[in-house]
Parts: sequence; structure tokens; C-alpha cells
Amino acid sequence: AQTVTQSQPEMSVQEAETVTLSCTYDTSESDYYLFWYKQPPSRQMILVIRQEAYKQQNATENRFSVNFQKAAKSFSLKISDSQLGDAAMYFCAWIIQGAQKLVFGQGTRLTINP
Amino acid sequence: DGGITQSPKYLFRKEGQNVTLSCEQNLNHDAMYWYRQDPGQGLRLIYYSQIVNDFQKGDIAEGYSVSREKKESFPLTVTSAQKNPTAFYLCASSIQLGTGGRTEAFFGQGTRLTVV
Repeated sequence: AQTVTQSQPEMSVQEAETVTLSCTYDTSESDYYLFWYKQPPSRQMILVIRQEAYKQQNATENRFSVNFQKAAKSFSLKISDSQLGDAAMYFCAWIIQGAQKLVFGQGTRLTINP
Repeated sequence: DGGITQSPKYLFRKEGQNVTLSCEQNLNHDAMYWYRQDPGQGLRLIYYSQIVNDFQKGDIAEGYSVSREKKESFPLTVTSAQKNPTAFYLCASSIQLGTGGRTEAFFGQGTRLTVV
């Protein structure tokens, strides 16, 4: 089965510090896309960052960056200079090239301590 | 502003009743999706549609039905056959996912369905 696993149900970090959320996936495919979505208390899903599997360079979006290890099937999210507004559920997801099924992990609840 | 609108935000259903959740998008996206979210289980795909008048079952389609008569609309009906319908339902749309470029799914704000 093609799955996504987020092993950390909850994480917490002090404001202004750095936190890393883990994600691993299982697939035999070589072409796919990986995503991190944020779901704040409003429950609106917001795309944080995406990574194409064929790209070796790790994606970055301002304070958010990923560590993509294709051989290890790992896709972690690093949040630098954490802010109170970063508090949310974070979901890792992926989709195979040409497919239509976006597969989600179970989520990690991130708390920011002031 | 372009976006996805789900209604209602909260919905209560008596056991044995069918209910329909609305999802409308004005992003001119071809593909639309319905996900169910339960605590600790992430999002699970119920149904998806890539074009008008066509749709496919996802992982948990039993007890649900959909239609795609217009590009902008993808309503989800939760039937009485769904044994545990209380959940948070999210609708999404995209250009064709998994085809490269700036592929991503845009989500509505969700509908919380409770069986009373």
C-alpha cells in the first residue's frame, strides 16, 4: 500500500526557535510530488510547500524548507524562527505523477510556546 | 476573489436521513475532490471527478454519492447507508493533479456533519 506516515502526533517549540516535522512515505514509483499542508484552528487547508521528486534541490518558502531524501523516502519540514501564527495541524501528502489521488499522513499538531 | 465555497459550515442529520453537502468553485478547475477528516486519521478520499459528468470512487466511497453536472459544482450526498457519518468534510479542486507545473489542491473551509 502506498502510505504516508507522520510519526509525531504532537510537537511544541518556543517562539523564534526552529522545529522539524517528520514525514516518511512508501512507494515504488519514481515520479511524484510531495506537499506540506497547514490546517490552523479555522480548519482551512493551506499549502505550505511542495517538492517535485525529480528535483534534487530542497524546496524553500521563506521560513519553511524541506529536507527531501528520496532514497530514504523521507520529506521533513523545517520551520525557522517559529511564530505564534504557525500553530496548526501540519499534514504531509504526496501524489504520483499522472494520478489523481492525493494521499495524506495522519497529521502533526504543532504548538508554539510564547 | 476566486475560491472554493462549501455550505453549510455545520450540518446536523438524524439517523436514516440523507443529506447533501454543497461545494462550488470559481477557479475554473477541472478536477474536484471530497475528503473526510477524522481525528488522528488525516484526510481520506471519498470521491473525485476529473471532468464534468464523470467521477471515480476513492478509498471510502461506501455510503456516499456524488454528481458532477457542472464544472463549478460537486455536491456530496451522505446517505443513510453510511454507518458513521459524523466527521469533517473537505472539498478541494485543482488543475489536474500530478501533471507537473504548479500542481496543488485548493480546499474549501469544510462542513462539520453531526448525526443526532
